[in-house]
Amino acid sequence: EAQVTQNPRYLITVTGKKLTVTCSQNMNHEYMSWYRQDPGLGLRQIYYSMNVEVTDKGDVPEGYKVSRKEKRNFPLILESPSPNQTSLYFCASSLLSTKGGNTGELFFGEGSRLTVL
Amino acid sequence: AQKVTQAQTEISVVEKEDVTLDCVYETRDTTYYLFWYKQPPSGELVFLIRRNSFDEQNEISGRYSWNFQKSTSSFNFTITASQVVDSAVYFCALSSGSARQLTFGSGTQLTVLP
Repeated sequence: EAQVTQNPRYLITVTGKKLTVTCSQNMNHEYMSWYRQDPGLGLRQIYYSMNVEVTDKGDVPEGYKVSRKEKRNFPLILESPSPNQTSLYFCASSLLSTKGGNTGELFFGEGSRLTVL
Repeated sequence: AQKVTQAQTEISVVEKEDVTLDCVYETRDTTYYLFWYKQPPSGELVFLIRRNSFDEQNEISGRYSWNFQKSTSSFNFTITASQVVDSAVYFCALSSGSARQLTFGSGTQLTVLP
């Protein structure tokens, strides 16, 4: 079954304790991306990756890191989480279009709800 | 820079009514893509439609239809004869230029009452 898998789905942590949210897709998609969803703000892009070893900042990258060492995995790293990073996080993937951009037909993971105390 | 505005934060209708969700976008690029996604109460995000900037034909898929008007920079979504299962948050999104980033609107919460 084609899917994007995120872990953990729920996490409560404390300020400053490093954490990683994993994301894995089994569709051989080149493009992967992380979003956070906050009430009234919709989904905002944190980081994206066009392929292995190619990552770039989205609209709200501060406080986050990513890596893309393998095509299927795109972990999101919070080195020193703060309460303003309490949010619902989504990982997504898609194919690249013939023109090199993402097709927009994103496949999303089920979301990871993070609470930072 | 690109921007998507969904001015309707919440809409409530009674089952079988028609409802239109508005989406206004901003981009300086002449080539761009517009999307609608649905997020039901279970939380997952479901792709509904993609439309490119060169295709202004309206599209219909069952009870769903989309009206793309470049003149007003709008890409509105209409649900005909709404059903309770249509209750969800609906997001409009835009990808332009190199299509590296997908920008979402803030979403419209649609509640269909029985």
